[in-house]
Amino acid sequence: DIQMTQSPSSLSASVGDRVTITCRASQTISSYLNWYQQKPGKAPKLLIFAASSLHSGVPSRFSGSGSGTHFTLTISSLQPEDFATYSCQQSYSTPYTFGQGTKLEIK
Amino acid sequence: QVQVVQSGAEVKKPGASVKVSCKASGYTFTTYDINWVRQATGQGLEWMGWMNPSSGNTGYAQKFQGRVTMTRNTSISTAYMELSSLGSEDTAVYYCARMYYYDTSGYLYYTMDVWGQGTTVTVSS
Repeated sequence: DIQMTQSPSSLSASVGDRVTITCRASQTISSYLNWYQQKPGKAPKLLIFAASSLHSGVPSRFSGSGSGTHFTLTISSLQPEDFATYSCQQSYSTPYTFGQGTKLEIK
Repeated sequence: QVQVVQSGAEVKKPGASVKVSCKASGYTFTTYDINWVRQATGQGLEWMGWMNPSSGNTGYAQKFQGRVTMTRNTSISTAYMELSSLGSEDTAVYYCARMYYYDTSGYLYYTMDVWGQGTTVTVSS
């Protein structure tokens, strides 16, 4: 199975900050990488697919980059509604594994 | 609108089985695979498997092989996930999600774009 490792596990930031979350795959997955946002008690929401493509309706302050084994999710200017947990997921091969999540908290 | 709606919370005893339903609306049910993902409290997301509603074909994560069964009823656009031999470690929120794919220059990128609201399964004696 492909292992997905995110860093950091948690992050404190302020509204307006620029933040970056990293996701590493245990083997190459090309660009088959998705990012999800999840708020407490809610289902995940798709943000980015194919490592860098924005899903419909997602604000442009979210961006993704990377390929192979190293990926990043960047939020250019944090908004109050962005405080949530972010998870990466590989769609290169089954089982479609997720990272353990990065909890983004208000400083 | 496109949505999938899951059945309500369940409480089961160890050793029992649970069957969770996932009803799709707003799109053609047989066009996209349904995936099942679970999340224990405070833990990450764990992919369990997929089902093709058109063919009924399935693929399960090794961890759940022999204990999970994914089925469907196309006449009512509903997918089901049944998990047997429940233990306390199966206490979690279970989600179904539509597996949508983007075709980018001939490459298919699979995503889980529409999620159910989650079904809490509690296993307790």
